[in-house]
Amino acid sequence: AQSVTQLGSHVSVSEGALVLLRCNYSSSVPPYLFWYVQYPNQGLQLLLKYTSAATLVKGINGFEAEFKKSETSFHLTKPSAHMSDAAEYFCAVSVNDYKLSFGAGTTVTVRA
Amino acid sequence: NAGVTQTPKFQVLKTGQSMTLQCAQDMNHNSMYWYRQDPGMGLRLIYYSASEGTTDKGEVPNGYNVSRLNKREFSLRLESAAPSQTSVYFCATTNPTSGLTDTQYFGPGTRLTVL
Repeated sequence: AQSVTQLGSHVSVSEGALVLLRCNYSSSVPPYLFWYVQYPNQGLQLLLKYTSAATLVKGINGFEAEFKKSETSFHLTKPSAHMSDAAEYFCAVSVNDYKLSFGAGTTVTVRA
Repeated sequence: NAGVTQTPKFQVLKTGQSMTLQCAQDMNHNSMYWYRQDPGMGLRLIYYSASEGTTDKGEVPNGYNVSRLNKREFSLRLESAAPSQTSVYFCATTNPTSGLTDTQYFGPGTRLTVL
């Protein structure tokens, strides 16, 4: 079964600094990959997704992620953090069925 | 369009009580899901319905039952609530693409506390 590992349960960055959230997946076939964001007391919202087209995927709010098959990674980045980026971020993978497998989540704190 | 709606938003139960969480979508999606979210564990799938008339167990189905009432509605029932079922519950919907799960759209969640 496919699984997703998010490295680091908490990340703290300064406003204006790079945001880097790490995600590795285990899959024997090219998957669909997703990053979701969850703001406090809300549901999950799609940030971006990879579905076997371009390996560099751009999402909403200035986020992007690069699919690296050789490293089985799908890390999420944003060049300059904003206070509004404080949230919890989830990586998820889908492979040939109806289900998504979610990582445990990374909480991002942005320092002024 | 409301997207995915869930009722209630909050609920407190006593151990042994029963309740049903409701989910409705106006996105004309075929597949619907129930997840629970617990700190440090991400989202875990309880049950899903690939299409109207079908339901299947997910990762953590024990203590829950579901009903796919029609294409729009998918309910989750706790017959005898336990403190271990204290969690935030999310409903989600999607239309599969070529057999793969595409973007899932989530409701706002139901916060359940079992005393």
